[in-house]
Amino acid sequence: KAGVTQTPRYLIKTRGQQVTLSCSPISGHRSVSWYQQTPGQGLQFLFEYFSETQRNKGNFPGRFSGRQFSNSRSEMNVSTLELGDSALYLCASSSAGGSRETQYFGPGTRLLVL
Amino acid sequence: AQSVSQHNHHVILSEAASLELGCNYSYGGTVNLFWYVQYPGQHLQLLLKYFSGDPLVKGIKGFEAEFIKSKFSFNLRKPSVQWSDTAEYFCAVNAADTGRRALTFGSGTRLQVQP
Repeated sequence: KAGVTQTPRYLIKTRGQQVTLSCSPISGHRSVSWYQQTPGQGLQFLFEYFSETQRNKGNFPGRFSGRQFSNSRSEMNVSTLELGDSALYLCASSSAGGSRETQYFGPGTRLLVL
Repeated sequence: AQSVSQHNHHVILSEAASLELGCNYSYGGTVNLFWYVQYPGQHLQLLLKYFSGDPLVKGIKGFEAEFIKSKFSFNLRKPSVQWSDTAEYFCAVNAADTGRRALTFGSGTRLQVQP
């Protein structure tokens, strides 16, 4: 079974621009979560989607948004980019979204904001 | 809200040495506990997890962890490390009593095993 895939893998943007990142979960998985990883703040939860509905959101400003499609693929969008948004953005999927389920992580999208 | 502390930021061991990485969490309710590993250039992957029952859980590659509820700890252990265990290790929790799956991660421990 193919793993979680994320596109693009690397991205360079300038301040003020917006960016959209994509995540394709493992086939059959319906739950997708997004995390931000930075050297200073570590791994932080952004949001979680299940069956196209946002179920939970982390403590991030409204510039960060996401959505999930009927095929479970998910996108996250960051508008008005700031230098501090430079990070590795990780997507994780699980089959049904229960708290005990293993979350399978993708390779991440590395975003650099100049 | 939960929080997780990993007190060892960087650990250097020789091959065959024993490993113990500390993890403490803060949360008033019931938690699910996880250890993830990130090998150089690879994805985060699950080493082991604890939900309930026997507090000693075994994971992949010879790792185990013990949940001590009274100490709010979930330390990771391996009796004899190998060079291939060089990686960054993350402890994580989520709130089992809320059913929310959002993971709260510790800051990670970078393990370097010298041959």
